[in-house]
Amino acid sequence: EIVLTQSPDFQSVTPKEKVTITCRASQYIDRSLHWYQQKPDQSPKLLIKYASQSISGVPSRFSGSGSGTDFTLTINGLEAEDAAAYYCHQSSSLPWTFGQGTKVEIK
Amino acid sequence: EVQLVESGGGLVQPGESLRLSCVASGFTFSTYSMNWVRQAPGKGLEWIAYITSSGSPIYYADSVEGRFTISRDNAKNSLYLQMNSLRDEDTAVYYCARGWGSSWYDYWGQGTLVTVSS
Repeated sequence: EIVLTQSPDFQSVTPKEKVTITCRASQYIDRSLHWYQQKPDQSPKLLIKYASQSISGVPSRFSGSGSGTDFTLTINGLEAEDAAAYYCHQSSSLPWTFGQGTKVEIK
Repeated sequence: EVQLVESGGGLVQPGESLRLSCVASGFTFSTYSMNWVRQAPGKGLEWIAYITSSGSPIYYADSVEGRFTISRDNAKNSLYLQMNSLRDEDTAVYYCARGWGSSWYDYWGQGTLVTVSS
């Protein structure tokens, strides 16, 4: 099973700051890595597919990068509405797995 | 507008069964793969089952293999999860999620809570 390890687990950030969340895979997964946002009491929402491909309707401040085993989700200019948990997800091999999540709090 | 609406959750005792449903609308259900993903209280996301648009192949996570069965009825735009021999650790919110092939999940339902407790 491919283990995805996110860091940090928790981040408290001031609005307009840049946020960087990393996701490390225990095996090579090429670019089969996707990012989701889950706000409190809501279902997850797709943010980024295939490591860096943008999703229609998602604000441009969200971007992704990486390939192989190391990936990054960046939020350029955090806004109050971005308070949420963020999860990476690999679709390279079964069983498909998620990272443990990173909670972003607004200071 | 794409909508996925789950139902069927509730409180059951260990060893009992439950059947979840997910009704889809706003897209051609028969052309998309579907998944069940669960989230234990205060925990992260866990993929548990996948079914292709035609109904085969089907894949399961080890944690539910042999106990849970995913199925679909394309005529009714519906996805199902039959859960047998439920355990305390199956307590979670269960989401149905539309898959883009076997890759990302672009739409999620609101979830249905399953509580397994004596």
